[in-house]
Amino acid sequence: EVQLLESGGGLVQPGGSLRLSCAASGFSFSSYAMSWVRQAPGKGLEWVSVISSGGTTYYADSVKGRFTISRDNSKNTVYLQMNSLRAEDTAVYYCAKEGWWEVLMGNYFEYWGQGTLVTVSS
Amino acid sequence: DIQMTQSPSSLSASVGDRVTITCRPSQSISKYLNWYQQKPGRAPKVLIYAASSLQSGVPSRFSGSGSGTDFTLTISSLQPEDFATYYCQQSYSTPRTFGQGTKLEIK
Repeated sequence: EVQLLESGGGLVQPGGSLRLSCAASGFSFSSYAMSWVRQAPGKGLEWVSVISSGGTTYYADSVKGRFTISRDNSKNTVYLQMNSLRAEDTAVYYCAKEGWWEVLMGNYFEYWGQGTLVTVSS
Repeated sequence: DIQMTQSPSSLSASVGDRVTITCRPSQSISKYLNWYQQKPGRAPKVLIYAASSLQSGVPSRFSGSGSGTDFTLTISSLQPEDFATYYCQQSYSTPRTFGQGTKLEIK
């Protein structure tokens, strides 16, 4: 059974930093891309970042230069380092395992964690 | 960035109704379109990938169709557990963008 368990959320002041973790189990972690998707309170879903199985990374413009995604295949864990946090970063952050039906573009968010809440406020 | 527009934004329907939700990307995305269901306080769940492929374990009353710039999610006979918010999402290009969501409520 695939399980994704996020941790590291909490209350942080504007300008502060936080590191989210997502511990994965139930699949061959090193073989799959992993993403972070967030949802501001009462709002829709926003893709944040992805890291491929080979370590290639992509970011949404809204977080580029402030957030860094990484993975440790020995620990089956993906991370999201968030710096220079702003009020608009307040959201539930989900990690997601990517499934794929076609190489390069045929991806979808196959499994999701339960989410961790990040609140940026003074 | 590819903008994804869903319609309607909200919808009231009754158990047993047939419901259709539309998703229109701002440019052609071939069949690189996925649909998700989200219930309050829960993580999203994939229903359909590649525009029309049913994810394993998803009831067959859900179906997807379309390509290019016009996609639909259809629920053939609404069940009580289907009242939720539905999102489309494109994987054609980065950033992967979602529609704004369609909230399906009980009439």
